[in-house]
Formats: sequence, structure tokens, C-alpha cells
Amino acid sequence: DAKTTQPPSMDCAEGRAANLPCNHSTISGNEYVYWYRQIHSQGPQYIIHGLKNNETNEMASLIITEDRKSSTLILPHATLRDTAVYYCIVRVIGNQFYFGTGTSLTVIP
Amino acid sequence: GAVVSQHPSRVICKSGTSVKIECRSLDFQATTMFWYRQFPKKSLMLMATSNEGSKATYEQGVEKDKFLINHASLTLSTLTVTSAHPEDSSFYICSARGGLGADTQYFGPGTRLTVL
Repeated sequence: DAKTTQPPSMDCAEGRAANLPCNHSTISGNEYVYWYRQIHSQGPQYIIHGLKNNETNEMASLIITEDRKSSTLILPHATLRDTAVYYCIVRVIGNQFYFGTGTSLTVIP
Repeated sequence: GAVVSQHPSRVICKSGTSVKIECRSLDFQATTMFWYRQFPKKSLMLMATSNEGSKATYEQGVEKDKFLINHASLTLSTLTVTSAHPEDSSFYICSARGGLGADTQYFGPGTRLTVL
């Protein structure tokens, strides 16, 4: 599975959009991009995933560049409860998830 | 939907004893479950993949005789830490594949193991 690179930490003001980048320059054509988050001392929570097209659900939007070498997770209106570590994972369907170091997002009041 | 539970949430045991952790998919059938461990301020590390009715597949460096995995039904997998030692103290998390998104993994809340 392709490896990902994420900034170790980010801050975001409450109520503003949080844009979390992920670089996956070695992604192959059949690998999906998944995003999970982990709030302290809890299990990871699924957020969203996509292959080529941009995706949106009730939690977030996923923007994947045309060359698929990077993506951005967007939390449209960050709240204090969105403070967590966010993991970007790329994988082939059916394969295991291997977690990187993630981005620690802090939402500031 | 897609809820995964773990029991117990916390366990403290003496060195040399064995501890069993249960992982259940509550509202879907999971043919595949996964076990991870996480040390403080570190990322999740995949330990093994558990397929219902067959032997688990362990990641490199994970002792299969130390961490016994059983996946006897489509909703239950267990991880037994045998002869636990203080270095086994960690946060153990399971996940199950299935539910609404057939290939999406859903994670349990984790089990905090402390070995004295």
C-alpha cells in the first residue's frame, strides 16, 4: 500500500473550515483514500473515503487532486469536538489498513 | 449502524496471567476482524487479521503464541494475551470489516491493558 505524508499538527479556529492535507504521491490506480480520526483514548472513527471523485457526507468533504497524488479533508465548520488525530490511509480494496502518524488537529475556541 | 464493541474497556492484571479481550460487531456480520495495539502518543500498529473460521494472519514481529486470536463466529473475535508482562501494557483496538460499506473498517472503543 502507498504511504502517506501528513503535517504532524494543525490548529483551526472554532466555526472555521479545517483543511487537512495528505500527500500520497505513490498511490496506484486501484488504491482508495480513507480518512479516520481518533479522539483521545478512543477507537478510530470512520470519516469518508474516495477513489477519484470528490466525496461529501454529513461529516466532511474529501477533495482528491486530478493526478490523485494528494487529497484534502475538509471539516466545513470545525467545533471543539473535532479536536482529534486525523489519519489519511491509502489502500487497495480488501487489504489491511496501515496507519501513519496522522495530523493532530486542535480546534481553538 | 456498524457498531463494534470491546470488552473489557479496562483491565489490570498481574504479570504472568492471561487476559482475554472480546470484540463484537453488534449490528452486522464481519467475516474479517483486525487487532491493533497503540502505545501512548503513537499510531495504531496492526497486529493480526482474523478471518472467521480460519487461523489468524499475524504481522511480522507479532508472536502468535503470545497473542492468541480466535474468530469463532461472524460477530465475535477474541484476543488473549498469554503470560502477560508489563511490556504488554498497551491500548488494544479491534476493527471489523463489513456493515454499510462492505470494505470499510469500523473500530471498537479499545481496551486499556495494564500489567503490573
